[in-house]
Amino acid sequence: KQEVTQIPAALSVPEGENLVLNCSFTDSAIYNLQWFRQDPGKGLTSLLLIQSSQREQTSGRLNASLDKSSGRSTLYIAASQPGDSATYLCAVQGGSEKLVFGKGTKLTVNP
Amino acid sequence: SAVISQKPSRDICQRGTSLTIQCQVDSQVTMMFWYRQQPGQSLTLIATANQGSEATYESGFVIDKFPISRPNLTFSTLTVSNMSPEDSSIYLCSILGTLPSIQYFGAGTRLSVL
Repeated sequence: KQEVTQIPAALSVPEGENLVLNCSFTDSAIYNLQWFRQDPGKGLTSLLLIQSSQREQTSGRLNASLDKSSGRSTLYIAASQPGDSATYLCAVQGGSEKLVFGKGTKLTVNP
Repeated sequence: SAVISQKPSRDICQRGTSLTIQCQVDSQVTMMFWYRQQPGQSLTLIATANQGSEATYESGFVIDKFPISRPNLTFSTLTVSNMSPEDSSIYLCSILGTLPSIQYFGAGTRLSVL
């Protein structure tokens, strides 16, 4: 059974700092890995999707890496801003369309 | 991307009652998914709803407790039946987008059961 773990559970940083969020999964037979952002009352927003054959994806200040063999992914956020404050969720997809989620990392960026 | 409208956004319900959550998508999709997010926990898939067939439920979820309708390619409902305080959660619907494997989510329904 696939299990996804995210560390840390919460993180508080000053504005402008670069930071890394971690995600690990137990079964390396994945189709892809996605990072989402969850804002209260606004559902989930897809940030980055990495296919199993890819090593990383970038979007603006966000960079996600994937090491499938070791079951790890990181989300790097450069020059953090207060608007980045949210819960970040990692999810992996196996052979079906079903996503398995981690519990998330709650990020607070202080002005 | 897709626009997913979910109603209600929140509700407070009494024990033993039922609540139906609606999910409307602005485009036709084959598969719709219903997730539950209990306080402090991961999102967990409840069931997958295909138009024209019975929903497929994940382990630990049953049709009598979470009946799902999928009358057409843009709409689905999830009913939480005979509610107890343990059903207090956020319920979210999602779809697969046209881009490979990206899932889009509604804003969620925050349910509190007293």
